[in-house]
Amino acid sequence: QVQLQESGPRLVKPSETLSLTCSVSGGSINSYYWNWIRQPPGKGLEWIGYIYYSGSSHYNPSLKSRVTISVDTSKNQFSLKLSSVAAADTAVYYCASTKGAVAPFDYWGQGTLITVSS
Amino acid sequence: EIVLTQSPGTLSLSPGERATLSCRASQSVSSSFFSWYQQKPGQAPRLLIYGASSRATGIPGRFSGSGSGTDFTLTISRLEPEDFAVYYCQQSGDSPRTFGQGTKVEIK
Repeated sequence: QVQLQESGPRLVKPSETLSLTCSVSGGSINSYYWNWIRQPPGKGLEWIGYIYYSGSSHYNPSLKSRVTISVDTSKNQFSLKLSSVAAADTAVYYCASTKGAVAPFDYWGQGTLITVSS
Repeated sequence: EIVLTQSPGTLSLSPGERATLSCRASQSVSSSFFSWYQQKPGQAPRLLIYGASSRATGIPGRFSGSGSGTDFTLTISRLEPEDFAVYYCQQSGDSPRTFGQGTKVEIK
């Protein structure tokens, strides 16, 4: 069974870049599509984007100008960078997998709360 | 962008009762690309239903999904104590993938 674990700094200053890594275990990163999803405190879920092991990616247009998702197959990891953050980017960030580009999110990380504050 | 609107916002029921949750899409969604998730406090969402009506691995038979086009329903036939949670619908047939705002099922 695939297991996902997010890691990265929990506090980011406004205007800086948020960086998170998701480590994949129990399965090869050379399968599945790898997604980032976020949830502001007390609010709903927002899909950020995905990457395939080949490097092809697709982002939510609302965040596209600030988002980069990358994959490191040698480490079985994929990463999220979100630039020019503001308080509105404070959220729990989840990594999740899908079996296809339009498949449901079947495996999720536990999530990590990222706070944007000076 | 496809907007998913869930109703009601909160459902107050007792254990053993039947729960019916609705999700309406702003435009037609292929059933193949429609899912439901359950989220408990402090936990990640868990996939319940995919393809509008197929239960994910390990999901009890009391959970069922139905619907097509713009109207979808999640039914919990008899609520167990562990079913009190927030439920989200989600579509992946159109980009960006979107979620509904959630329905909270609380103990009456």
